[in-house]
Amino acid sequence: TQLLEQSPQFLSIQEGENLTVYCNSSSVFSSLQWYRQEPGEGPVLLVTVVTGGEVKKLKRLTFQFGDARKDSSLHITAAQPGDTGLYLCAPRSGNTPLVFGKGTRLSVIA
Amino acid sequence: DAGVIQSPRHEVTEMGQEVTLRCKPISGHDYLFWYRQTMMRGLELLIYFNNNVPIDDSGMPEDRFSAKMPNASFSTLKIQPSEPRDSAVYFCASSLGQGGNEQFFGPGTRLTVL
Repeated sequence: TQLLEQSPQFLSIQEGENLTVYCNSSSVFSSLQWYRQEPGEGPVLLVTVVTGGEVKKLKRLTFQFGDARKDSSLHITAAQPGDTGLYLCAPRSGNTPLVFGKGTRLSVIA
Repeated sequence: DAGVIQSPRHEVTEMGQEVTLRCKPISGHDYLFWYRQTMMRGLELLIYFNNNVPIDDSGMPEDRFSAKMPNASFSTLKIQPSEPRDSAVYFCASSLGQGGNEQFFGPGTRLTVL
């Protein structure tokens, strides 16, 4: 059974601060997706990473896939209130469906 | 495109009643997923369909839960009888292919069983 852990569970920061959230597992993944879920809505895809060591940037968000493809991180620079939400990682192994982590609940205070 | 449509958005019912949740996937998508989300357990996959055929229902918690997809544009998730521990937000999602493809989620149905 794949163990998937996201940390921290909760994070509350001031506008303008930087932060990093993590997604870790004991298994090797073929790919990994990050989703953001805003209150009252469904998750929305931010990025898909496929190659070990891959780094992708989406404006102020930087995503990294670990070299061994067992973990990933999301770094936000100069956080804004609009970044508030639940950040979910969803790795895939082979042809199996996505498995979602419990997420990191981020609150950015103006 | 209207995106994935779910109804109702909110449902409050009493223990023992039957509950039916509805989903219309994005036109042309061949995969449909039903999830349940709670604070304790996060987002759990209940069942998914490919071309209207159930592929994996191992996440369905009990026989009280059933799901159907009679055609490519409609799916239902039924709970009968409902129990208070079924209270959660239920999401439907669809995708074109599986692989590493993006899943598009509906807005969810918030179910409260009293």
